[in-house]
Amino acid sequence: GAGVSQTPSNKVTEKGKYVELRCDPISGHTALYWYRQSLGQGPEFLIYFQGTGAADDSGLPNDRFFAVRPEGSVSTLKIQRTERGDSAVYLCASSLILVGGTGIKLVKNIQYFGAGTRLSVL
Amino acid sequence: AQKVTQAQTEISVVEKEDVTLDCVYETRDTTYYLFWYKQPPSGELVFLIRRNSFDEQNEISGRYSWNFQKSTSSFNFTITASQVVDSAVYFCALISSGSARQLTFGSGTQLTVLP
Repeated sequence: GAGVSQTPSNKVTEKGKYVELRCDPISGHTALYWYRQSLGQGPEFLIYFQGTGAADDSGLPNDRFFAVRPEGSVSTLKIQRTERGDSAVYLCASSLILVGGTGIKLVKNIQYFGAGTRLSVL
Repeated sequence: AQKVTQAQTEISVVEKEDVTLDCVYETRDTTYYLFWYKQPPSGELVFLIRRNSFDEQNEISGRYSWNFQKSTSSFNFTITASQVVDSAVYFCALISSGSARQLTFGSGTQLTVLP
């Protein structure tokens, strides 16, 4: 698609429930990122995928959070046993990164963001 | 560790005034990239500019200009002749060579341009 698409735009759930948030990156972008933005704050990094694998998941707050990208395109962020503190806007971004013979070569290294999913845990 | 500080939480100006948004960063890496993003009420972060640590040239794009000074670790953003449509939250962000691919954001500056 033309831009990063995130669905749903809003999600209301009850404490203890399971939720899935979807991200469809810009076509051809190899890298995908998830961030979480609390009210009045800047986005905070959660996880980064290069292709199908999670290259860096150091930002995931605990083992209730998990993300997949099985075919190297669409990604799903999964949150188990939701808590009220999980309420936030979850942002997805994608960028184009070329993998060279001896390492990773950055191409502009610009992350393009979707409009986010606003998660409310009651 | 790296950090981005945007000390101005909220700024309010009248249309056509110039306004400067401040950004101060911290990183131990010598190779890094600085960014500005705009977040209008719709919520989507819109990329405005990227600057690498080896390029201290200031940049102008229409009414927007950016002043990068390594000596003070600052990357300030000026909007000339502000317009109501410039009202948004503006974020400064940093990627350094030691932080993989994660952007570290400041807490943002809410800019309100009054008609």
